Amino acid sequence: DVKVTQSSRYLVKRTGEKVFLECVQDMDHENMFWYRQDPGLGLRLIYFSYDVKMKEKGDIPEGYSVSREKKERFSLILESASTNQTSMYLCASSRSGLAGDGNEQFFGPGTRLTVL
Amino acid sequence: AQKITQTQPGMFVQEKEAVTLDCTYDTSDQSYGLFWYKQPSSGEMIFLIYQGSYDEQNATEGRYSLNFQKARKSANLVISASQLGDSAMYFCAMREGWGNQFYFGTGTSLTVIP
Repeated sequence: DVKVTQSSRYLVKRTGEKVFLECVQDMDHENMFWYRQDPGLGLRLIYFSYDVKMKEKGDIPEGYSVSREKKERFSLILESASTNQTSMYLCASSRSGLAGDGNEQFFGPGTRLTVL
Repeated sequence: AQKITQTQPGMFVQEKEAVTLDCTYDTSDQSYGLFWYKQPSSGEMIFLIYQGSYDEQNATEGRYSLNFQKARKSANLVISASQLGDSAMYFCAMREGWGNQFYFGTGTSLTVIP
């Protein structure tokens, strides 16, 4: 059974703390993504990576950084957590290729982060 | 301009009835893929169905079908014989050409009434 796993389902941190969210996929996918989801705003892309050590900014990268040292692992880092980063964080992975050939995204279970 | 537009924030349907969730898209690429995902209250995103831009037939997966109207740039999800377990958020998404990024709509909340 193919899987995307995230290190925590629920996380509570204090303002100013450094926060690491880890994501691992076992499908040998080239692409990995981090989204945040807030009510009424849908999914907003923070960063994605199309290869090891490669990254691209998404729509809302401010306040976040990422790391991809191995193909299967993609980490999201909040350098100094703030209350406005309280949200649901979703990790996803997908295979590369032409869009017309399919290659859907597979999602992890999500991490609900609360910053106090 | 929005790549994916879902204009129905919330929908209600009677159990066992069919329901259509709307999705329109905007792209100039000839090759693109359209995806629908379901997100129950537990939070996980579940892939439902895919339609490629070159597919001539509408995609179907069990009770899910995709009403693909290329000229109108619409990719509506049809759920037949609704069940209580269908109550969830539904997201339409698109990928274009060789790009790796997926574009999501803001979602439609579906409630199935017994």
